[in-house]
Amino acid sequence: QSALTQPASVSGSPGQSITISCTGTSSDVGSYNLVSWYQQHPGKAPKLMIYEVSKRPSGVSNRFSGSKSGNTASLTISGLQAEDEADYYCCSYAGSSSYVFGTGTKVTVL
Amino acid sequence: EVQLVESGGGLVQPGGSLRLSCAASGFTFSSYDMHWVRQATGKGLEWVSAIGTAGDTYYPGSVKGRFTISRENAKNSLYLQMNSLRAGDTAVYYCARDLGGEGFDYWGQGTLVTVSS
Repeated sequence: QSALTQPASVSGSPGQSITISCTGTSSDVGSYNLVSWYQQHPGKAPKLMIYEVSKRPSGVSNRFSGSKSGNTASLTISGLQAEDEADYYCCSYAGSSSYVFGTGTKVTVL
Repeated sequence: EVQLVESGGGLVQPGGSLRLSCAASGFTFSSYDMHWVRQATGKGLEWVSAIGTAGDTYYPGSVKGRFTISRENAKNSLYLQMNSLRAGDTAVYYCARDLGGEGFDYWGQGTLVTVSS
């Protein structure tokens, strides 16, 4: 199972919106609405930001939203804030109780 | 409050073995599937194993046959027995709770495993 493909880095100014893509295949992202997104600050554990493509856990800002089209899922952060600077990973169910993560994207707030 | 606390990491020689533990609290451990996820320094996340509430287990090809996930519900504990360790297994290992197959909603702080001679 190959890792899902994400851009290595995305940047934006405070207040702007950015979108991170996550491209898989018809065996993972394309087959299941079970894509999740994680935020990870340096030295910290990952934090769930989006699950089931577009659902937000309690406590996660509504500035974070998710979507999916075909084999590509996306995470949009609107109203970018300094605290959003972190690494972001997508993850998809890949069948037979297995999961595959994305390559990760470093978000920089300019 | 849900808490997951990993332990058991350390330095081990190539070919050696190590057993990681994850102590769970703040939720009904026996009712949740659980996972191990690892992250090499400066690298991305990699799913390592899963165990269902009935004890069914799952692994990716990279660790199948070398790693064994298990659970002890009476002790609210998750384990990962790692054998035939390789340099490529060097990583921080996290335990994580399954959100009904939709993601991993709680993570531990991780435990570092270093495989080196």
